Amino acid sequence: DIQMTQSPSTLSASVGDTVTLTCRASQSISIWLAWYQQKPGKAPKVLISKASTLENGVPSRFSGSGFGTEFTLTISGLQPDDFATYYCQQYDSYFPVTFGGGSRVEIK
Amino acid sequence: QVQLVESGGRVVQPGTSLRLSCDASGFSFTFYGMHWVRQAPGKGLEWVAFISSDESKKDYAASVRGRFTISRDNSENTLYLQMNSLSSEDEGVYFCARDRDWGSPSYIDYWGQGMLVAVS
Repeated sequence: DIQMTQSPSTLSASVGDTVTLTCRASQSISIWLAWYQQKPGKAPKVLISKASTLENGVPSRFSGSGFGTEFTLTISGLQPDDFATYYCQQYDSYFPVTFGGGSRVEIK
Repeated sequence: QVQLVESGGRVVQPGTSLRLSCDASGFSFTFYGMHWVRQAPGKGLEWVAFISSDESKKDYAASVRGRFTISRDNSENTLYLQMNSLSSEDEGVYFCARDRDWGSPSYIDYWGQGMLVAVS
């Protein structure tokens, strides 16, 4: 199975900062990567699919990039509502789905 | 609007079985693949299983393969997860989730609210 490794596990930031989260796959997954945001006690919400496609209704301050084994999620101008945990998920059709371990964005 | 409502979660003893259900509404259930995803207390998301729209494809995480069975009833718009030989490792919140596609697993665009399974 493909292992997904996210870094950092926790990041402290302030409102207005630009933050970048990284997700690495143990082997190439082309563009088959999604990013989710989860707040405590809630279900996750999809932000980005196919590595860089912003889902409907997701603010444009979120952006994704990457291909193969290395991917990033960037939040440009962090808002109070963005303090949450972010997960990547690979969905390469040749392998079972796997999630990364998550990156928690907390208030500095 | 899309709604996914899980049921069946409860406290069970180790080694026993449990069946979870997920009632789907607000979309054409027959046309979408479905997932179960779980989250242990204080931990990250763990994908559990996927079933394609026509049940021709089923995938399982290595941690549950051989113990869990995913199924669906398209006439009743219901997704199931039969869980056998439960252990404390299986404890957590179980989410029913809709895949964006119908065949092979893709990404998840809708989630249920989650349901707690406790093994004690």
